[in-house]
Amino acid sequence: GDSVTQMEGPVTLSEEAFLTINCTYTATGYPSLFWYVQYPGEGLQLLLKATKADDKGSNKGFEATYRKETTSFHLEKGSVQVSDSAVYFCALFGQAGTALIFGKGTTLSVSS
Amino acid sequence: GAVVSQHPSWVICKSGTSVKIECRSLDFQATTMFWYRQFPKQSLMLMATSNEGSKATYEQGVEKDKFLINHASLTLSTLTVTSAHPEDSSFYICSAAIAGGPYEQYFGPGTRLTVT
Repeated sequence: GDSVTQMEGPVTLSEEAFLTINCTYTATGYPSLFWYVQYPGEGLQLLLKATKADDKGSNKGFEATYRKETTSFHLEKGSVQVSDSAVYFCALFGQAGTALIFGKGTTLSVSS
Repeated sequence: GAVVSQHPSWVICKSGTSVKIECRSLDFQATTMFWYRQFPKQSLMLMATSNEGSKATYEQGVEKDKFLINHASLTLSTLTVTSAHPEDSSFYICSAAIAGGPYEQYFGPGTRLTVT
């Protein structure tokens, strides 16, 4: 079945450092791919998405490119801020699916 | 736009009682709503999918008689935890999908349930 694998955290960075959170997926066909962010004590917010191969999703300085050849959707940000500290979830919605499939989440902690 | 609310945001109840959690789509109609459960430092576990006007579809291992889901309108779904026990303590999150695009899900802020 469809699945999502994220790098394990926590990821600890200093402010203004470069961020990469790896995400790979297994799915048949062409799933839609998402990154969600969860701040402490809150629900999930959609950060960015890509619906077809080579699409780049971007928002708030974060980017991720849908790579069909490597089945990946890595999240990147050139300069993180303390306010980016949160849990990040990679997710997919398969062609034949009815619900999102989430990775286990990666905790990011940014210090000043 | 696309705001989803949950009520209450947190609740404490005694073992054996029932608790109802509401999920509302505030500015759009949601034909499909999803209920998730999240344990500390873990991912979201899909509990059930509910479509307006029909019975919810529960994931394997989720007790439908314990977690009652009602989706009576295009803007409201409720989750009732019946005869709650301490092991039901968790963070419950709902999401709503805009009609015509089930992968465009918008999440509520979650409800923290503590059963004592």
